[in-house]
Amino acid sequence: EADIYQTPRYLVIGTGKKITLECSQTMGHDKMYWYQQDPGMELHLIHYSYGVNSTEKGDLSSESTVSRIRTEHFPLTLESARPSHTSQYLCASSEYRASGLLETQYFGPGTRLLVL
Amino acid sequence: QKEVEQNSGPLSVPEGAIASLNCTYSDRGSQSFFWYRQYSGKSPELIMFIYSNGDKEDGRFTAQLNKASQYVSLLIRDSQPSDSATYLCAVNTSFGNEKLTFGTGTRLTIIP
Repeated sequence: EADIYQTPRYLVIGTGKKITLECSQTMGHDKMYWYQQDPGMELHLIHYSYGVNSTEKGDLSSESTVSRIRTEHFPLTLESARPSHTSQYLCASSEYRASGLLETQYFGPGTRLLVL
Repeated sequence: QKEVEQNSGPLSVPEGAIASLNCTYSDRGSQSFFWYRQYSGKSPELIMFIYSNGDKEDGRFTAQLNKASQYVSLLIRDSQPSDSATYLCAVNTSFGNEKLTFGTGTRLTIIP
């Protein structure tokens, strides 16, 4: 059972507002990820981090930014929300195995964002 | 060609039958393979992972990997209505690459 949390679970906000989506995990995982997923569509990686002070852009271009100041915390920020940002945002984390094989990614419950 | 391909479905299977879900991948160097289940409106949850050629069984679920054919599958035996969901195949496309590439998912419906 993975302990990864996201808040808020649902957010309705007006255009132009700054928002921060929170993601925390208590498993001590070094690696954390943000995905974006529209209803019925595939997951797109938008940001990831290998550890504290490490952040990388994912495969899908995003206007959001992330930070990783603490191992357990990986917030995502939108400086000025737009209707095109309406989507579900999923946070995930994983640990590294000595075998070198990628460890399983565990997902948080997600944040559903609606920008009016 | 997409890196990870799945039939989008929907795949309809009678209750109690075997559901077979397929996934192909393009990178021959892929090392790790994962199956996730995602209920509508929920986040993905891991069902199984497999690293080696052959079969891996866990309860009603069996993952099959054939690296020569670049093919990974998930079999669900004794399908239940609660198995109705979208099943995502995910591949770690190269050693040391800490990212997963997901397929678009196959929507499975179990018919009572």
